[in-house]
Amino acid sequence: AQKVTQAQTEISVVEKEDVTLDCVYETRDTTYYLFWYKQPPSGELVFLIRRNSFDEQNEISGRYSWNFQKSTSSFNFTITASQVVDSAVYFCALSDRGLSGGSYIPTFGRGTSLIVHP
Amino acid sequence: DSGVTQTPKHLITATGQRVTLRCSPRSGDLSVYWYQQSLDQGLQFLIHYYNGEERAKGNILERFSAQQFPDLHSELNLSSLELGDSALYFCASSGTGMNTEAFFGQGTRLTVV
Repeated sequence: AQKVTQAQTEISVVEKEDVTLDCVYETRDTTYYLFWYKQPPSGELVFLIRRNSFDEQNEISGRYSWNFQKSTSSFNFTITASQVVDSAVYFCALSDRGLSGGSYIPTFGRGTSLIVHP
Repeated sequence: DSGVTQTPKHLITATGQRVTLRCSPRSGDLSVYWYQQSLDQGLQFLIHYYNGEERAKGNILERFSAQQFPDLHSELNLSSLELGDSALYFCASSGTGMNTEAFFGQGTRLTVV
């Protein structure tokens, strides 16, 4: 079963539009961690945010905001006033003990490709 | 710059060959993860080391092996290479806690011809 689902394969917007990237996760652990990463065309994976399962407080960082809702097992990412430089593949990841029973291992969704047109 | 260094950045080799990918984690990080990214499989977890010990295995083929040395750098060995092994291989490291975020290197692009 897929643990992290990013149903949106590709999103295309025009600059200055707001865009929300969806992430739905599945875990039986009560303690787990959620992440978002950005992969620009250059290929590196850039860490954006971490959330633990006990902290449902939403977070805003500049044009980025994250909405964590345990009731719906979702951790969505919104970019306000998108810019061309936001064009990248965005990955949501879940870290829990489920895979090994011991280590917390980040499991990634398939990613959402965001294309921002000028 | 994440502080994680991977070498080489690009590697082209023939089928049947063996290669070694190297990773230097961020200073002080004890955990090293290896991931394979391909178009059809996405980002797949391969293996995790913590302070020199193997802690978890994912979808790692028997032809692949890894180790973490006392200085905490890690190597991923890929042998009997097949065309399907062509992918981007990432190393990531995280701090002393086992629940902190992982920082990724720039990856090694492996092309098997």
